Amino acid sequence: QKEVEQNSGPLSVPEGAIASLNCTYSDRGSQSFFWYRQYSGKSPELIMSIYSNGDKEDGRFTAQLNKASQYVSLLIRDSQPSDSATYLCAVSSGSARQLTFGSGTQLTVLP
Amino acid sequence: EAGVAQSPRYKIIEKRQSVAFWCNPISGHATLYWYQQILGQGPKLLIQFQNNGVVDDSQLPKDRFSAERLKGVDSTLKIQPAKLEDSAVYLCASSLDRLGGYTFGSGTRLTVV
Repeated sequence: QKEVEQNSGPLSVPEGAIASLNCTYSDRGSQSFFWYRQYSGKSPELIMSIYSNGDKEDGRFTAQLNKASQYVSLLIRDSQPSDSATYLCAVSSGSARQLTFGSGTQLTVLP
Repeated sequence: EAGVAQSPRYKIIEKRQSVAFWCNPISGHATLYWYQQILGQGPKLLIQFQNNGVVDDSQLPKDRFSAERLKGVDSTLKIQPAKLEDSAVYLCASSLDRLGGYTFGSGTRLTVV
């Protein structure tokens, strides 16, 4: 059974701070890793993908991957109230490359 | 490009009734997925299609759920008969290939009473 674990939160940070979201996964053969943002009542929206060890930066978002530790994280710099949402970690594995999702971390950025 | 289209947006039915959801993926996307998202949880895969063939339906409760993707484009997901625990958002997603992330539709929120 492939598992993806996230801290459920809620996580609260002040506006302008760095928000750090963490995720671990059980399948060592996982190949691709994604972060989705989901606003309340909306569908998940892809914000970051990462495929190799290290950091990947896109604007205020940085994804970090450590396959040896089976750990992936998302850093949001200069957090804004509009970043308040649930962040879902998703991991792709197996020949079918399906995404297995964590339960999400609810982030609140306080003005 | 147009996104993934789903309908209806909301559906309320009584237990033991049947219901069907429709999905039209992004043009050219060969892979289509149906996910179930229960409130407070992450999406859970129900079925994956590659063109009009089923790749994985191991988590689909086949005694009550069925899905098809005719002609490798549109897809329907059916529940018959519905149970209270089927109350969830049903998300359709598509991807160009199996390497990248998915694009999700707006989902269908099902309430079974």
